Amino acid sequence: EPEVTQTPSHQVTQMGQEVILRCVPISNHLYFYWYRQILGQKVEFLVSFYNNEISEKSEIFDDQFSVERPDGSNFTLKIRSTKLEDSAMYFCASGSGTGEQYFGPGTRLTVT
Amino acid sequence: DQQVKQNSPSLSVQEGRISILNCDYTNSMFDYFLWYKKYPAEGPTFLISISSIKDKNEDGRFTVFLNKSAKHLSLHIVPSQPGDSAVYFCAASFFTGGGNKLTFGTGTQLKVEL
Repeated sequence: EPEVTQTPSHQVTQMGQEVILRCVPISNHLYFYWYRQILGQKVEFLVSFYNNEISEKSEIFDDQFSVERPDGSNFTLKIRSTKLEDSAMYFCASGSGTGEQYFGPGTRLTVT
Repeated sequence: DQQVKQNSPSLSVQEGRISILNCDYTNSMFDYFLWYKKYPAEGPTFLISISSIKDKNEDGRFTVFLNKSAKHLSLHIVPSQPGDSAVYFCAASFFTGGGNKLTFGTGTQLKVEL
């Protein structure tokens, strides 16, 4: 069964450093999303991506964040200058447009 | 932002009995609702969904009920099994041209006891 994959599973970085989180969505899906979950809190929407552009973003997704689909299979989230409060689980999801979204296993980002 | 609420943080049920998880929403624009199951340190796993044009959707042991007038949905699991023990999130969305961002509730920890 097709699944969303994410790498790395755990990333530790120092405050101010750039990180890139990688995702491979399900191959025939057209809609791509990033969400995050801070420990003990609910899953929050960050950004959606369709037709090679951002279709919606939350207020969390400020100028420090960017997304890219560089090669038709990967979908990346870049955080330019990480802050302590960026520590969270980051989930990539993809959907075909029917409404369901399928999530990857997540990347645990720890900013020290 | 409390557009989707799950008021019960935890629920304990005996194996074989019915589990009922509840969710309320406030935004009338939501027209598609989903339930996800989540284990610690894993991504949410899609369980079942329902469109606002329906009031019930069933898939095996899982049934979702939608009451639009009350802005309430529920997930029924019957019979409950120990492997169902996890955190359950409801999520709500509406479609725009570029997809349907999900707004999640805070989750209900289900424990199915032997």
